[in-house]
Amino acid sequence: NAGVMQNPRHLVRRRGQEARLRCSPMKGHSHVYWYRQLPEEGLKFMVYLQKENIIDESGMPKERFSAEFPKEGPSILRIQQVVRGDSAAYFCASSPTAREQFFGPGTRLTVL
Amino acid sequence: EDQVTQSPEALRLQEGESSSLNCSYTVSGLRGLFWYRQDPGKGPEFLFTLYSAGEEKEKERLKATLTKKESFLHITAPKPEDSATYLCAGDFYNQGGKLIFGQGTELSVKP
Repeated sequence: NAGVMQNPRHLVRRRGQEARLRCSPMKGHSHVYWYRQLPEEGLKFMVYLQKENIIDESGMPKERFSAEFPKEGPSILRIQQVVRGDSAAYFCASSPTAREQFFGPGTRLTVL
Repeated sequence: EDQVTQSPEALRLQEGESSSLNCSYTVSGLRGLFWYRQDPGKGPEFLFTLYSAGEEKEKERLKATLTKKESFLHITAPKPEDSATYLCAGDFYNQGGKLIFGQGTELSVKP
């Protein structure tokens, strides 16, 4: 059983561009969570999704950030008009039961 | 506000020198307490989940315990390959399933 997959692993964007991060959960997992880890800071929750539904987006900035988990395909975290402060590691986690969460390797976003 | 606090921030041990990492949490409403290991440049690796006070779980040189106000990760006779950042996270009833992470303890084990 493959683990949580994220791509790309590294992403470089210039200020003002869009960043699109993908997460494929483990097989059989219908709960997906996105977390952000800023340099020298801990992991912070962003958004929790189930298939086709956003359950909790309380940790996600209201502007420029959006997330989806369509019926088919990976979960997508989209950041529009990126700024330097968006540079961070973005981790996706999945769970079969909304209890234990298993993390992917992360996408490291660098904004120039 | 639900909080999770880890101590120490960094811990340096000699190979074979046993020690413990601490994780304290907001007492009310804890549904589960998680421990993860994170190596540089990688995602957190799941280690343990603890649900009730008095519960203990073991894996190789690691043992996690839970009391009513804190959790400990005991490392027995550590090896250099145990060097990593250890993260503690709380799952609270009023947080809807999201994990609240501590800042982590960076463990370094020297041969």
